[in-house]
Amino acid sequence: GEDVEQSLFLSVREGDSSVINCTYTDSSSTYLYWYKQEPGAGLQLLTYIFSNMDMKQDQRLTVLLNKKDKHLSLRIADTQTGDSAIYFCAANTGFQKLVFGTGTRLLVSP
Amino acid sequence: GAVVSQHPSWVICKSGTSVKIECRSLDFQATTMFWYRQFPKQSLMLMATSNEGSKATYEQGVEKDKFLINHASLTLSTLTVTSAHPEDSSFYICSAPERHSYEQYFGPGTRLTVT
Repeated sequence: GEDVEQSLFLSVREGDSSVINCTYTDSSSTYLYWYKQEPGAGLQLLTYIFSNMDMKQDQRLTVLLNKKDKHLSLRIADTQTGDSAIYFCAANTGFQKLVFGTGTRLLVSP
Repeated sequence: GAVVSQHPSWVICKSGTSVKIECRSLDFQATTMFWYRQFPKQSLMLMATSNEGSKATYEQGVEKDKFLINHASLTLSTLTVTSAHPEDSSFYICSAPERHSYEQYFGPGTRLTVT
């Protein structure tokens, strides 16, 4: 089955760019997602990308997809302290069913 | 984006009792909802797929008699943890995709503590 991996921790300074990386194993995944989770809360959908796309930009967020290497990244420009949270990437296995990565804890310091 | 609510947001119960958690899609209809479990500092583990008007589909290793799922309408799914034990203490999160869409929205979660 699908296996999704992420680095566990990332620390940046306010104003810098953050890049969170994710790898997945199942090349048949058609949609890849990024979610944000703040402490004690549910998941907020940030963005998603179709597998036939290489890049998607949405305001401060840029998603890059390297389908050959099964590598997904999320770049947050001008990172703010409010961006501190856990970021999960997820891949679909079949219609609407998701497998989540381990989560990357982003810490933004002033 | 669409809104999914959960109730209660937290619950404490005694060992051996049952607890019901509700998941509602507030502004859209969802024929399918998903239930996840999340342990502290860990990822989400899919427990089951809730299907409106039919039986839920459980992931391998999830006891269907312990985690009863009912999807009675296009906006409501419930998860009942029966005969709860301390090891059932966890954060339970539901999600609902909009029909015919790949966008999936998550509830705020329910923290269950079994004493």
